Amino acid sequence: KNQVEQSPQSLIILEGKNCTLQCNYTVSPFSNLRWYKQDTGRGPVSLTIMTFSENTKSNGRYTATLDADTKQSSLHITASQLSDSASYICVVSPMFSGGYNKLIFGAGTRLAVHP
Amino acid sequence: EAQVTQNPRYLITVTGKKLTVTCSQNMNHEYMSWYRQDPGLGLRQIYYSMNVEVTDKGDVPEGYKVSRKEKRNFPLILESPSPNQTSLYFCASSGDRWSTDTQYFGPGTRLTVL
Repeated sequence: KNQVEQSPQSLIILEGKNCTLQCNYTVSPFSNLRWYKQDTGRGPVSLTIMTFSENTKSNGRYTATLDADTKQSSLHITASQLSDSASYICVVSPMFSGGYNKLIFGAGTRLAVHP
Repeated sequence: EAQVTQNPRYLITVTGKKLTVTCSQNMNHEYMSWYRQDPGLGLRQIYYSMNVEVTDKGDVPEGYKVSRKEKRNFPLILESPSPNQTSLYFCASSGDRWSTDTQYFGPGTRLTVL
């Protein structure tokens, strides 16, 4: 069964520190891997999208990496800010998904940034 | 402003009382989808639509209906809601380049079925 697993489930860091969130997936082959940020009570917002041939993508202080051999992705947040407090969701799209945008979501990592 | 809107944002209802959650997007997107989000689980797809009058089941379609009569609207219908449909619901849309297009999510509808 296709799965996307994220770790840790939750994380607390101090403002200004860096952190890395992990995503392991078994979806294969896959078309693309995405990271979303979801603020409490809001809809997810796209941070990065990487195709299977890419191994890094940045969006400001957010950098996503992808290792297709080990089926792992990470999201690195640099110089964290209070506004980074949110859930971060890893999402994988299977390669052969019937021609539509099927997405398989991880359960997310809840990040809390404290002053 | 490009956006996906949902209404209502919050709804408390009773078992068996039919309800509709509306979803509208202003980006002329082909693809729209409904998800539910429950604690400890990832978002799960309920139904999706690739274009007007084209809809199909996602992973958890039981107890739900949808329609796509216009490109911008994609309502979610619960004919006879039950307590296990208490959840946070999101509508999303994206363009027709499905492999790399960003999905835009609505603000969510929190539904409680008593």
